[in-house]
Amino acid sequence: LAKTTQPISMDSYEGQEVNITCSHNNIATNDYITWYQQFPSQGPRFIIQGYKTKVTNEVASLFIPADRKSSTLSLPRVSLSDTAVYYCLVRRVGFKTIFGAGTRLFVKA
Amino acid sequence: DAGVIQSPRHEVTEMGQEVTLRCKPISGHDYLFWYRQTMMRGLELLIYFNNNVPIDDSGMPEDRFSAKMPNASFSTLKIQPSEPRDSAVYFCASKGGGEQYFGPGTRLTVT
Repeated sequence: LAKTTQPISMDSYEGQEVNITCSHNNIATNDYITWYQQFPSQGPRFIIQGYKTKVTNEVASLFIPADRKSSTLSLPRVSLSDTAVYYCLVRRVGFKTIFGAGTRLFVKA
Repeated sequence: DAGVIQSPRHEVTEMGQEVTLRCKPISGHDYLFWYRQTMMRGLELLIYFNNNVPIDDSGMPEDRFSAKMPNASFSTLKIQPSEPRDSAVYFCASKGGGEQYFGPGTRLTVT
């Protein structure tokens, strides 16, 4: 499976839009890009998944360029409660899911 | 649905003791995963089952660790004997056709 690279940490302020970019240069045709969120003292929670272009749900948007070698998770107008670790994963059907170190987002008042 | 249920939520035990962690997956899910999370190593996949059958246990650290899934609604992860380096949060997750749903975790402390 393609290795993912994302920033170790990011800071933001309440009300700002946060964009977290993940690199996955060796992504294969059958791979999907998935993002999870983990709050302190909780298990990870699925946020969004995409294959190409743009996906949006009630929590976030996921932007994937045509070459699919990177993806950007966009969180609109973050609040203090969005402080969490965000994991970018490359998933392939039939293969186990590997979590990397994730990006620690800290939202300040 | 109540989600993935894990017990106990916290476990403190002495080195050398046997520890059993329990998980009840979401009804209807056919995949079950056991993960371990520490500050040093992050979130590691230990083993996963499909339809109660272990598929990949390559993440199990050593023979002291064992996992079973006797039926579709129950799984255990056992550590015998436990060691201080086993201290971590252990998560169980289940999956149907889509994403994984994680339980609240069991925080294990081995003294």
